[in-house]
Amino acid sequence: EAQVTQNPRYLITVTGKKLTVTCSQNMNHEYMSWYRQDPGLGLRQIYYSMNVEVTDKGDVPEGYKVSRKEKRNFPLILESPSPNQTSLYFCAVRISHGYTFGSGTRLTVV
Amino acid sequence: ILNVEQSPQSLHVQEGDSTNFTCSFPSSNFYALHWYRWETAKSPEALFVMTLNGDEKKKGRISATLNTKEGYSYLYIKGSQPEDSATYLCAFSNDYKLSFGAGTTVTVRA
Repeated sequence: EAQVTQNPRYLITVTGKKLTVTCSQNMNHEYMSWYRQDPGLGLRQIYYSMNVEVTDKGDVPEGYKVSRKEKRNFPLILESPSPNQTSLYFCAVRISHGYTFGSGTRLTVV
Repeated sequence: ILNVEQSPQSLHVQEGDSTNFTCSFPSSNFYALHWYRWETAKSPEALFVMTLNGDEKKKGRISATLNTKEGYSYLYIKGSQPEDSATYLCAFSNDYKLSFGAGTTVTVRA
């Protein structure tokens, strides 16, 4: 069964303290992406990756970095978090035409 | 940014009533249209992926139709039950991107 593991589920941090949200998949799929969800705005794409070492910006990439050194992992990195990055984050893996989402990370930056 | 719009933003339905709501999307460069069901504190759950004009999909009491020429899809819930209460997200995809609408939040009153 397809599994997308995202950690942590909840995180409270302070402005400027670097953090990483991890995402891993057990399905050997090529395409992975990160979204943030804010009230009234739907899910907005931050970054996506078509394969190992191939990443590109989505609609709201400012303040985020990603890496794809191996197929199974696609971490989201906030080098210097700010309060406007307080949000609910989802990792997604594309499987054929559909997408499977991780369980979400609720991040609060104070 | 691909413009995907959903209406209404929210609706309240009496248990046992049927309801429907709309997703509109760009009609050019169509690849696939997705519907997700999203409950608070959970990850979005895939309902349907539709790729062909005129597609109709059904899962229990929930069904969806697709018109790619005019750029809209309808989601129908027949005989609504309290467990149908959720936010329903539609998303338009091309080869590398999944763009979401803001969702329609359905509340079913017993």
